[in-house]
Amino acid sequence: DAGVTQSPTHLIKTRGQQVTLRCSPKSGHDTVSWYQQALGQGPQFIFQYYEEEERQRGNFPDRFSGHQFPNYSSELNVNALLLGDSALYLCASTKTSGRGEQYFGPGTRLTVT
Amino acid sequence: AQSVTQLGSHVSVSEGALVLLRCNYSSSVPPYLFWYVQYPNQGLQLLLKYTSAATLVKGINGFEAEFKKSETSFHLTKPSAHMSDAAEYFCAVSGLRNSGGYQKVTFGIGTKLQVIP
Repeated sequence: DAGVTQSPTHLIKTRGQQVTLRCSPKSGHDTVSWYQQALGQGPQFIFQYYEEEERQRGNFPDRFSGHQFPNYSSELNVNALLLGDSALYLCASTKTSGRGEQYFGPGTRLTVT
Repeated sequence: AQSVTQLGSHVSVSEGALVLLRCNYSSSVPPYLFWYVQYPNQGLQLLLKYTSAATLVKGINGFEAEFKKSETSFHLTKPSAHMSDAAEYFCAVSGLRNSGGYQKVTFGIGTKLQVIP
């Protein structure tokens, strides 16, 4: 049973550029959440997708957007990258009918120069 | 609202000693509680979960946690620390649903565990 997968593993971008990160949820899961984890910090909730719609959003600007596809996979897009966007981006999946138990992918390390 | 407080951002123990990582929660509904572990440059791995069954929960790698409603606590313990336990540990709470019915998960700030040989 494949767990949560994310791509790419590492990414280096320049300020002002745009980036797309990808996530495939664990088999049987229908809800995907994205988190930003800056160095030395805990995960900060960005948003959550279910049935191809954004259902919850954390305190992140509109530069952060997402998408969920019919197969439940998801993308995180960040526009106009800032140096402060450098972080580990984590994808987590769960069943929306469940108890909140989330399974995390290995993350994508984004470096903005 | 719901929240998690992890007491002690850094904890050091000697190899073979008891590990105790503290977590207190606040929730307006009966909570589900989780402990996750994160090794450097990796994602979070679920250690154990409390979902309203037994109050003493056993997880992977010899860890366990006890749900104490009266103390609103869910502390993580391991009888004997191993060098491989050095990592960052996150407590999380869920249970509260937003107006759309979607469950919110809130994480603590994490506790870095150092194991001294």
